[in-house]
Amino acid sequence: AQTVTQSQPEMSVQEAETVTLSCTYDTSESNYYLFWYKQPPSRQMILVIRQEAYKQQNATENRFSVNFQKAAKSFSLKISDSQLGDTAMYFCALRIPQGGSEKLVFGKGTKLTVNP
Amino acid sequence: NAGVTQTPKFRILKIGQSMTLQCAQDMNHNYMYWYRQDPGMGLKLIYYSVGAGITDKGEVPNGYNVSRSTTEDFPLRLELAAPSQTSVYFCASSGYDRERAGNTIYFGEGSWLTVV
Repeated sequence: AQTVTQSQPEMSVQEAETVTLSCTYDTSESNYYLFWYKQPPSRQMILVIRQEAYKQQNATENRFSVNFQKAAKSFSLKISDSQLGDTAMYFCALRIPQGGSEKLVFGKGTKLTVNP
Repeated sequence: NAGVTQTPKFRILKIGQSMTLQCAQDMNHNYMYWYRQDPGMGLKLIYYSVGAGITDKGEVPNGYNVSRSTTEDFPLRLELAAPSQTSVYFCASSGYDRERAGNTIYFGEGSWLTVV
């Protein structure tokens, strides 16, 4: 069975500092995609970053980057120069194509608070 | 490009009433999903569809129904509303993103439903 685990229910960081959110997953498939979504208090789900499993290079989007360790099945999110607007729930997600269908699995989320 | 559009954004229902949450996407995605998110919790899959005319149950389908007559639309029907259905509902679609040159999951802005 495919699973996504976010082991940190809550985290906090000081403004301008760097924080890393952890995500581990489990799948026996070789073709899959990984995502990080941000959910601010407005509850909108915002795509932060995505990574294809076949790409060795870690994805980056401005202040957000991932450390993708395929063998260890780890997909952590690093936020540099944290801003107050980064305060949100962060969800890690796994998408697995399966023939004519697909499977989406979400972690339970990490609540990040950025303190001034 | 509107992405995924959900209506209504807010609704208050009385116990026993019925209603339909509308969801439409304009990206020609085959895969569409309905999730609910209770306060402080993660996403729970209600129903999903892999294409027009094909739907299947997720982990919490009781009290809900869906249809998928077109690729674009995936409405969620609540029959005989109960207080336990008070939640935020998200529609999502999954497919190829030309801008990001890869597959991405898109979410609607959410529908806040209160049953009193």
